[in-house]
Amino acid sequence: GQQLNQSPQSMFIQEGEDVSMNCTSSSIFNTWLWYKQDPGEGPVLLIALYKAGELTSNGRLTAQFGITRKDSFLNISASIPSDVGIYFCAGLRGGSNYKLTFGKGTLLTVNP
Amino acid sequence: EAQVTQNPRYLITVTGKKLTVTCSQNMNHEYMSWYRQDPGLGLRQIYYSMNVEVTDKGDVPEGYKVSRKEKRNFPLILESPSPNQTSLYFCASSATGTGVGEKLFFGSGTQLSVL
Repeated sequence: GQQLNQSPQSMFIQEGEDVSMNCTSSSIFNTWLWYKQDPGEGPVLLIALYKAGELTSNGRLTAQFGITRKDSFLNISASIPSDVGIYFCAGLRGGSNYKLTFGKGTLLTVNP
Repeated sequence: EAQVTQNPRYLITVTGKKLTVTCSQNMNHEYMSWYRQDPGLGLRQIYYSMNVEVTDKGDVPEGYKVSRKEKRNFPLILESPSPNQTSLYFCASSATGTGVGEKLFFGSGTQLSVL
């Protein structure tokens, strides 16, 4: 099964810095999702995107659905220590509303 | 409290010894799914179920079985575990409708080690 290309694999940043990560695919997706996984827990949904070009915010997080429908990015502004975790992108293709494809994840470490 | 409950949280077993990881949800969700998480590979879907008695293979179904006899339960069965099935497993559930991804609830995970 196809997986999404998520980058970077890991990031080490200082508290207060902004963060950007992205996902790309050779296939078109109708829905893009961003999840966060805290250590020892399951992933939790952060943002869902449904239309090409859509830009959505959730507090300090902003995500965009790429115009080509083959990519998406997530930005975190003014990072804080509790932002530490693994961030996953995921996509849903049209015609297969129940098969979610995940990226490999971005491990974020925030130094206080 | 709405939740997906997996058991056990940690499991160490030996090659070939059949095991079952249980998953239960209390949200009356139609859709349930199993994923495995491996370093550098992210989350890969093993099996999913659209509703009772309806299951289908995900991306990595080999070596696994599932059953959906009741809406709330979706056990993952490893008939003859092998070391390459050592992984972190997640069960997830969602109501179907506009799309499962938006409201996909994950359990806390089961760390399996096969020696």
